[in-house]
Amino acid sequence: AQSVTQLDSHVSVSEGTPVLLRCNYSSSYSPSLFWYVQHPNKGLQLLLKYTSAATLVKGINGFEAEFKKSETSFHLTKPSAHMSDAAEYFCVVSEGDDYKLSFGAGTTVTVRA
Amino acid sequence: GAVVSQHPSRVICKSGTSVKIECRSLDFQATTMFWYRQFPKKSLMLMATSNEGSKATYEQGVEKDKFLINHASLTLSTLTVTSAHPEDSSFYICSATRDRYNYGYTFGSGTRLTVV
Repeated sequence: AQSVTQLDSHVSVSEGTPVLLRCNYSSSYSPSLFWYVQHPNKGLQLLLKYTSAATLVKGINGFEAEFKKSETSFHLTKPSAHMSDAAEYFCVVSEGDDYKLSFGAGTTVTVRA
Repeated sequence: GAVVSQHPSRVICKSGTSVKIECRSLDFQATTMFWYRQFPKKSLMLMATSNEGSKATYEQGVEKDKFLINHASLTLSTLTVTSAHPEDSSFYICSATRDRYNYGYTFGSGTRLTVV
């Protein structure tokens, strides 16, 4: 069975400072991992995905994530936060041939001017 | 590429009526589509998975007679909320995939349903 734990329900950063969103997963097989962002009353936009290729994955808008199998983690980072990064972020896992996605509870990011 | 259009974005209906929500993949053929429900400030809850031409697979606890899903073509899936009640008010989101390894999952922009 697959599951995802997002370790922070809320992260607040100042504009221009680094952002770190933590995600741990549990999976019986080689997982596919995703980070999605959701702005208020909007759908989800894919930031990046890991599917057993390079462990350091670069995504859109300056985000990147590193897959660490030994730590079962897939933390999302951005070197310098922008006001437009304020949103809800979801870490998501799927495994094997199962197309189902398991969502983390989400992390709300606020960016202070 | 990989755009999913969901319509309507917002709908208000009277209690007891039915509402249909459409999910279209605009530039790819979606082998599988998913319907999610999201409560305020909560994560997404998978309601059902649908494959073109076959019956949807519903998650435990989701009433299939209340939430009718039709996936008639590789580009269109519909969710009909039948005999809607205020407790059905929620944000509904669809997603579609053609090849999750190379393309991942694309989400629609969501539908805010309010039942009055």
